[in-house]
Amino acid sequence: DIQMTQSPSSLSASVGDRVTITCRASQSISSYLNWYQQKPGKAPKLLIYAASSLQSGVPSRFSGSGSGTDFTLTISSLQPEDFATYYCQQSYSTRFTFGPGTKVDIK
Amino acid sequence: EVQLVESGGGLVKPGGSLRLSCAASGFTFSSYSMNWVRQAPGKGLEWVSSISSSSSYIYYADSVKGRFTISRDNAKNSLYLQMNSLRAEDTAVYYCARGRQQLVHYYMDVWGKGTTVTVSS
Repeated sequence: DIQMTQSPSSLSASVGDRVTITCRASQSISSYLNWYQQKPGKAPKLLIYAASSLQSGVPSRFSGSGSGTDFTLTISSLQPEDFATYYCQQSYSTRFTFGPGTKVDIK
Repeated sequence: EVQLVESGGGLVKPGGSLRLSCAASGFTFSSYSMNWVRQAPGKGLEWVSSISSSSSYIYYADSVKGRFTISRDNAKNSLYLQMNSLRAEDTAVYYCARGRQQLVHYYMDVWGKGTTVTVSS
């Protein structure tokens, strides 16, 4: 199976900060990479698909980039509602795998 | 409104069985693949199983293969997960999620709120 790693595992940031989360795949997955946001007690929400395509209704402060094995999720100006855990997920293989998550909390 | 509602979770003893259901509404269920994803308490997301729109293709995570069976009834707009030989490590919130294919890219764009499965004696 393709293994996904994320860094950092957690970060503290302030409203208005630029935040970058990294995801790495154990083998090349081209651009078959999705990002999800999850708030405590809630279901995950799709943010980005195909590495850089913004899901409908998601604010433009979220962006994704990368291909091959290295990917990033960037929040250009962190808002109060963005404090959550973020997961990457590969869809290169039909046996999907998620990264371990990055928790973004208030500094 | 596009909606997925899971049900069937509960407390079950190790070695027992449980059948989860996911009722879909607001979209043409038979046109989409579907997935089960679980989350153990305090842990991350783990993909469990996927089924194609016509049930032709089915995939399982190694952790559940041989114990869990995914199925669907397009006439009833419903997805199922039959879970047998349950273990303590199967304790989790189970989410159903719609699969969306755009060109060659696949992602889960609609999620239910989840149903909780607890395996304990």
